[in-house]
Amino acid sequence: DVKVTQSSRYLVKRTGEKVFLECVQDMDHENMFWYRQDPGLGLRLIYFSYDVKMKEKGDIPEGYSVSREKKERFSLILESASTNQTSMYLCASNLDRHNQPQHFGDGTRLSIL
Amino acid sequence: EDKVVQSPLSLVVHEGDTVTLNCSYEVTNFRSLLWYKQEKKAPTFLFMLTSSGIEKKSGRLSSILDKKELFSILNITATQTGDSAVYLCAVGNEYNFNKFYFGSGTKLNVKP
Repeated sequence: DVKVTQSSRYLVKRTGEKVFLECVQDMDHENMFWYRQDPGLGLRLIYFSYDVKMKEKGDIPEGYSVSREKKERFSLILESASTNQTSMYLCASNLDRHNQPQHFGDGTRLSIL
Repeated sequence: EDKVVQSPLSLVVHEGDTVTLNCSYEVTNFRSLLWYKQEKKAPTFLFMLTSSGIEKKSGRLSSILDKKELFSILNITATQTGDSAVYLCAVGNEYNFNKFYFGSGTKLNVKP
């Protein structure tokens, strides 16, 4: 079974801090994704990566950056956290070919005070 | 604008009931429709549908796609408390393997 592991289930940070969310997958998937999930808004794509050091902006990239130095690891960075970034963050991965479902991590519930 | 709409937003039923969850979509370059179940943790994959009229079934869960009317339904028969979850619908893009459009989910609460 594919395992996508996010480093923290719950995280509390302060406004202005730099925040790192880490995600690791163990199935050699090419693609990795970061979403945020908010009530009534569904999952919105922040960034995705289709290869090491390759990334593309999703629908809501503002205020975020990402890093993919190794194939199995994809990091989401909040450069200067703000209260409107309080949310559930989900990492996912899949194979880069047709009709491949995404496999999700358990999520990180991030609160910015 | 591409969008995926799920209904109802929430639903409360009793054990043993049958429920039908709906997912309608307006997505150019449709490739596939996926259903996920999300309890308190990671969304877990249930079904992927690509062809109209072909039912996918797993135990008490089944799903079907209508590409002409642009919707899918997820049926759960003889519901159990363990079916309580948020059910997510997502649509994949034909030309971009990385693009999935998600609905906001249906929250199902099954009472004993």
